[in-house]
Amino acid sequence: DAGVIQSPRHEVTEMGQEVTLRCKPISGHNSLFWYRQTMMRGLELLIYFNNNVPIDDSGMPEDRFSAKMPNASFSTLKIQPSEPRDSAVYFCASSLGQGSSEAFFGQGTRLTVV
Amino acid sequence: GEDVEQSLFLSVREGDSSVINCTYTDSSSTYLYWYKQEPGAGLQLLTYIFSNMDMKQDQRLTVLLNKKDKHLSLRIADTQTGDSAIYFCAERTSDTGRRALTFGSGTRLQVQP
Repeated sequence: DAGVIQSPRHEVTEMGQEVTLRCKPISGHNSLFWYRQTMMRGLELLIYFNNNVPIDDSGMPEDRFSAKMPNASFSTLKIQPSEPRDSAVYFCASSLGQGSSEAFFGQGTRLTVV
Repeated sequence: GEDVEQSLFLSVREGDSSVINCTYTDSSSTYLYWYKQEPGAGLQLLTYIFSNMDMKQDQRLTVLLNKKDKHLSLRIADTQTGDSAIYFCAERTSDTGRRALTFGSGTRLQVQP
């Protein structure tokens, strides 16, 4: 398996534009997580899904952020409209969701909003 | 809520041992993890420990858990320049409704030749 695949790796966009980040979890994993990493706040959980259903979205900053998981092999995180303070590295991770099963992380998407 | 704390920076010489410390507040933490992040990369799991264990050793890595004090440490023996990275401590409970990890702020390990 190629691991968790995120796209794009880098995204530069203008303030006000819509941004869509994509994630393909590891096949067979039933939990998927979106994290945001910034210098100031470290790693923050935004939302996680179990069996394609959002379980905890309390970390989603505001209504401008939305996440979907239409099937077991794909998830999106959308920001509309984007703002400069959204600039961060966004990580997707997946796990089997059982016991101690580790979360495997993608390489991340570095988002810069100018 | 849960809180995980780590010191921000550690510098050691090549060949020395490194000890990275972490404290957590959630007494229901069941699984505790150490992740490594190299520049421009995602997080890679190094090792984990169950809360009913005191110690776990895996090659150059030794994890010590003091559950009473809610203190976790990662010892890297014979530290190499390739060990330079940010190390994250993370925890989660066994609660099936709370599968997400809570991460510390990360400790940047710098290994000097």
